[in-house]
Amino acid sequence: RKEVEQDPGPFNVPEGATVAFNCTYSNSASQSFFWYRQDCRKEPKLLMSVYSSGNEDGRFTAQLNRASQYISLLIRDSKLSDSATYLCVVNIGQNFVFGPGTRLSVLP
Amino acid sequence: EAGVAQSPRYKIIEKRQSVAFWCNPISGHATLYWYQQILGQGPKLLIQFQNNGVVDDSQLPKDRFSAERLKGVDSTLKIQPAKLEDSAVYLCASSQWGATYEQYFGPGTRLTVT
Repeated sequence: RKEVEQDPGPFNVPEGATVAFNCTYSNSASQSFFWYRQDCRKEPKLLMSVYSSGNEDGRFTAQLNRASQYISLLIRDSKLSDSATYLCVVNIGQNFVFGPGTRLSVLP
Repeated sequence: EAGVAQSPRYKIIEKRQSVAFWCNPISGHATLYWYQQILGQGPKLLIQFQNNGVVDDSQLPKDRFSAERLKGVDSTLKIQPAKLEDSAVYLCASSQWGATYEQYFGPGTRLTVT
């Protein structure tokens, strides 16, 4: 089993839609979790950290389920500008392991 | 605040040649990472430095890749000799020390090996 796995995608959704991505991780000792966004031919940038209690930032909501070892990202009211690859990142020890990413295309 | 700087941005070399990449992290960031990102995949950690010491280089192909961060600031990553499968984007990132801190990425170096 890979350390971090994500929905394979791509997701093609219309503007205004709600879309959810899932990410599973294998190491139960992992403590820190993040979602990064990567635009085409650009570097990854932090979208949000994921806290145990779940957290929300505008249209974005992240959830953590430690028992099932998965993280989710929910995007409400999708915008064209949300089109990107979303990378799940999990710490293992002092290292960060990136998932393969899920590509989202928001269509007009 | 200046971001992570990398150079060159693009490099094309022939297989068996050598290449070096340079990274200057954000001022004050103790931790520096080099990642390899192959098209369609997530970044894969090659090496992690804490100041000028290596924290993890378990995924660095040491027969051809080397990296250093001699003064705990700038870092260089070298490939010698390059193979076709080394074609990728090489990303440098830095962060404050600790597993909860955000990583800031540079723009990357896009390497093509022909």
